Amino acid sequence: NAGVTQTPKFRILKIGQSMTLQCAQDMNHNYMYWYRQDPGMGLKLIYYSVGAGITDKGEVPNGYNVSRSTTEDFPLRLELAAPSQTSVYFCASSKISGTSAEQFFGPGTRLTVL
Amino acid sequence: AQKITQTQPGMFVQEKEAVTLDCTYDTSDQSYGLFWYKQPSSGEMIFLIYQGSYDEQNATEGRYSLNFQKARKSANLVISASQLGDSAMYFCAMRERPPSGYSTLTFGKGTMLLVSP
Repeated sequence: NAGVTQTPKFRILKIGQSMTLQCAQDMNHNYMYWYRQDPGMGLKLIYYSVGAGITDKGEVPNGYNVSRSTTEDFPLRLELAAPSQTSVYFCASSKISGTSAEQFFGPGTRLTVL
Repeated sequence: AQKITQTQPGMFVQEKEAVTLDCTYDTSDQSYGLFWYKQPSSGEMIFLIYQGSYDEQNATEGRYSLNFQKARKSANLVISASQLGDSAMYFCAMRERPPSGYSTLTFGKGTMLLVSP
């Protein structure tokens, strides 16, 4: 199992550009999540999905969009990139959603917006 | 109010000594889960240990143990016999059961641990 994979590992964007961060998992997990981690801070939830076709906003959704057409993939779309979106982005998945659900994280994508 | 508070931005410990990383949480739920993750300089998030709110015994995983004091709402991580490879950022996180929707993880700001020889 590859677990949770993310591409690209690094990206530099110019202000106003758009891009899609890819995330895939091969563990057949229904639940998937996108977080951002700003320097010296903890992770903040952007969006999450409880299954194909079902997504919901997290704590910091503005400036992002998601879709979930398959169980495996959960891409994160940035439209009109801004310097405030410079961050490390983590995708995660979990088998269940209860209070004991362990999340498995991808390696992260480091994004810089200049 | 912050749901997860980690008051120690940084901690130093000598190799082979034990260290406690503090975490307090805020919730009105009876059912919740507490997690600790390690983030080394390479950046990945590594799950360390989990404690459920109804668990009567403190969780242990190898050299990691969780000092769970429910009445104080604290879930401190204890690392015994520190190793140089323990140098990393450590995050405390909580999952609650919301009235509607699905439970998600809320993270603290983290504590940087440096282990010296």
